[in-house]
Amino acid sequence: AQSVAQPEDQVNVAEGNPLTVKCTYSVSGNPYLFWYVQYPNRGLQFLLKYITGDNLVKGSYGFEAEFNKSQTSFHLKKPSALVSDSALYFCAVRDKTGAGSYQLTFGKGTKLSVIP
Amino acid sequence: KAGVTQTPRYLIKTRGQQVTLSCSPISGHRSVSWYQQTPGQGLQFLFEYFSETQRNKGNFPGRFSGRQFSNSRSEMNVSTLELGDSALYLCASSPAALPNTGELFFGEGSRLTVL
Repeated sequence: AQSVAQPEDQVNVAEGNPLTVKCTYSVSGNPYLFWYVQYPNRGLQFLLKYITGDNLVKGSYGFEAEFNKSQTSFHLKKPSALVSDSALYFCAVRDKTGAGSYQLTFGKGTKLSVIP
Repeated sequence: KAGVTQTPRYLIKTRGQQVTLSCSPISGHRSVSWYQQTPGQGLQFLFEYFSETQRNKGNFPGRFSGRQFSNSRSEMNVSTLELGDSALYLCASSPAALPNTGELFFGEGSRLTVL
C-alpha cells in the first residue's frame, strides 16, 4: 500500500516569512500526490496535485509544492506566510486498493500557525 | 455551482443507536467517497460509490454501510453506535471514479458525538 508521512505535527512561522510543510511518500510506481487544507470546523480544500511533469507544482492561494523523486518528498511551500494560512494541512497519495479501484490515503496532518 | 452538501452538520446520539448521514455531491459528479476524521486516527477512508455501486471499502466493521442513489446523492449509516464512532464524517465528490482525477471536493462534514 502507498503511504505518506508528515513528520511535523505543528509548524510555527512568523507572518511574512517563507513556510514549508513537509511530506514524504512511499509508493510503488509513479506517485500521484496531493495537498489539502482544512480550516477549523470545515471540510478539506484541494490545494494542488502532482501527477507528472514539472517538479514544481503551483496551486491555490499562492502555495506551491516541490516534488523530489530522489528524496521521495513533496513539500508544500509558500514564499510569504499570512495569518490566514493558519490551518491543518494534509498530504495525500492515490492508493490502489484493487483492480481498477483507488482511494486517497492521507497523512496525519500538520497544524500550521502563522504568528503576527 | 453549489458545493458538496452534508446533513446534518452536528448530531448527538447515545450508544447503541443508529445514525444516517446524507451527502449531496456537486452537480454532475458521480463519485462519492466517505472519510472518518478523528484526532487520534486522522482521516480514514470508509467507502467510495460510483454510479450507485460501491467500488471501494475501507477497513471498518460491517456496522458502517452506505449507498448511492441514481441522482448521485449518498447516505452512510452507522448502526449500534459506540463511543469510538464519535468523529467528523466527511463526504467528498469527484467528476468520475478516482483513477481519472484524484482530486476530491469535500463537504463541511457531519460531526457525530456518541454519548
